[in-house]
Amino acid sequence: EAGVAQSPRYKIIEKRQSVAFWCNPISGHATLYWYQQILGQGPKLLIQFQNNGVVDDSQLPKDRFSAERLKGVDSTLKIQPAKLEDSAVYLCASSLAQGAWETQYFGPGTRLLVL
Amino acid sequence: DAKTTQPNSMESNEEEPVHLPCNHSTISGTDYIHWYRQLPSQGPEYVIHGLTSNVNNRMASLAIAEDRKSSTLILHRATLRDAAVYYCIPRETGNQFYFGTGTSLTVIP
Repeated sequence: EAGVAQSPRYKIIEKRQSVAFWCNPISGHATLYWYQQILGQGPKLLIQFQNNGVVDDSQLPKDRFSAERLKGVDSTLKIQPAKLEDSAVYLCASSLAQGAWETQYFGPGTRLLVL
Repeated sequence: DAKTTQPNSMESNEEEPVHLPCNHSTISGTDYIHWYRQLPSQGPEYVIHGLTSNVNNRMASLAIAEDRKSSTLILHRATLRDAAVYYCIPRETGNQFYFGTGTSLTVIP
């Protein structure tokens, strides 16, 4: 079974530029998550989708971050404009559904450096 | 969301058992207790989860206290590949995963 795919794996941009990350979840997984992991910290949820609808985006900085999941499969996360503090690893995860017992499967992450 | 307390770091000798503790005294009755680990430069990976009873799988065992206010992840024979950050995460349906800072496990050859 193929895992969660993410691209690119690394990205370096200058502040105020824009950047986009792509995620392809495990086939059949209805729930998709984007996390931000700053160095030395645990991952923090940015947004959760159930199919193509947003379930939780309470911690997404909506003035600069946006995400979409068209057709309930692939998803993109965009930052526009980027700030220095956005330097982090952006992780995508997916699960079959939303239940408390569900296992989340994580991709390898995209490492973003904002200069 | 239930808050957790884990040691910042632990060490273990290779091929010896490791007991990783987690305190989650504010856990609700419907929170599942999940454990994930994150190897260097990788995304987190699932280890084990349970609700009330102790659980075993090929990777580890999970011992849950009778009052559910704490749990212990047991790696029966630590290998160098088990060196990682281990996260204990209570989760209720409708709530998000809260990872915290976890326990960094060092395995000594």
